[in-house]
Amino acid sequence: QKEVEQDPGPLSVPEGAIVSLNCTYSNSAFQYFMWYRQYSRKGPELLMYTYSSGNKEDGRFTAQVDKSSKYISLFIRDSQPSDSATYLCAMSPYNQGGKLIFGQGTELSVKP
Amino acid sequence: DVKVTQSSRYLVKRTGEKVFLECVQDMDHENMFWYRQDPGLGLRLIYFSYDVKMKEKGDIPEGYSVSREKKERFSLILESASTNQTSMYLCASSLPRQVETQYFGPGTRLLVL
Repeated sequence: QKEVEQDPGPLSVPEGAIVSLNCTYSNSAFQYFMWYRQYSRKGPELLMYTYSSGNKEDGRFTAQVDKSSKYISLFIRDSQPSDSATYLCAMSPYNQGGKLIFGQGTELSVKP
Repeated sequence: DVKVTQSSRYLVKRTGEKVFLECVQDMDHENMFWYRQDPGLGLRLIYFSYDVKMKEKGDIPEGYSVSREKKERFSLILESASTNQTSMYLCASSLPRQVETQYFGPGTRLLVL
């Protein structure tokens, strides 16, 4: 079993839809949770960062962490075609600027 | 603006060749990383470095080596390229004790024939 599981999709939604992306994990020591966005033929870029449990909002994006269920989510409101990308969740048990464990990535397509 | 650059966007090599992938960061980051990315497998850590001349194995180091002679430069070496090393290679750097500062380069797509 992988430490971090993420549905690879692809996920296709119409413009304006609310998108929910999810990851589950098995290591209860994870404390730092990140979402990266990767456009085609580009490197990943950090989208959201959360420490421990709770919610974090940034514009149209909301990240949620439920440590009791070992489950994290990224919500995208009013999705746009420019949101079409692969979304990767990543986690770490300690903050050393060190190793991140990544999910497989979910490919999202937002249709105009 | 933070920047991680990789020497090549695309590379085609023959089986058995020695391959060098170079990564340079201009953010004065102590930590540097090499990942490979394959469909369905996500990013997997090959090697990382917390300081000059220091290296540690990641999850899949077999067939690879690294070199870090200067703080800003981290090289990945494929001693004898094989077809199963065809992949997207991503370099990243970060500050120590700040996981959220891990920035990635644009990647190198390597094809081994």
